[in-house]
Amino acid sequence: QVQLQESGPGLLKPSDTLSLICAVSGYSITNNYYWGWVRQPPGKGLEWIGTIHHSGTTYYNPSLNSRVTMSVDTSKNQFSLQLTSVTASDTALYYCTRQYDGSGSHPAVLGCWGQGTLVTVSS
Amino acid sequence: EIVLTQSPGTLSLSPGERVTLSCRASQSVTNSYLAWYQQKPGQAPRLLIHGVSTRATGIPDRFSGSGSGTDFTLTISRLEPEDFAVYYCQQYANSWTFGQGTKVEIK
Repeated sequence: QVQLQESGPGLLKPSDTLSLICAVSGYSITNNYYWGWVRQPPGKGLEWIGTIHHSGTTYYNPSLNSRVTMSVDTSKNQFSLQLTSVTASDTALYYCTRQYDGSGSHPAVLGCWGQGTLVTVSS
Repeated sequence: EIVLTQSPGTLSLSPGERVTLSCRASQSVTNSYLAWYQQKPGQAPRLLIHGVSTRATGIPDRFSGSGSGTDFTLTISRLEPEDFAVYYCQQYANSWTFGQGTKVEIK
């Protein structure tokens, strides 16, 4: 059974670069599904950040596109997120995700989620 | 960007009741590219429905989705104690966006 585990610094200063890793276990990242990131500010709703395929194809939220980079490390079976020039508004619980593996699924349909990692941006 | 507006913000209901949650889009959601998720406190969201009306694996048939164009609905035919949660709709027809959520709480 696939499991996703986020890791990375929990506290950043304004203008820092946020770097998170999602370690995938129980499933090969090179199988034909998309992997991604969603965030949730404390007490608020969900925001899609971006999605990546092991082939390198990426889709980013247009509102974050200029600051986001995602990559895949097939040797470690993990993928990563970088978000530059963070501000307090980037404070959130960051989830890594995998596309749902059911029939007719679309890359945006998120069937598997990590437990999330809280990133706080504060001076 | 398609903006999704969910209503109501909060519903106070009793177990056994029927629930209807609304998700309205600022422009047409094509190809039935709409999903619903459930999130309980302290947990990650869980996929309930995709393609407007297709239940995800393991989702009970008391959950159903319907709608087209700009108006979509998630119905829970009979509320179970484990259904009290926040529900989000998501469109993936034009970029990918979520609604702000509807909280279903115990009355």
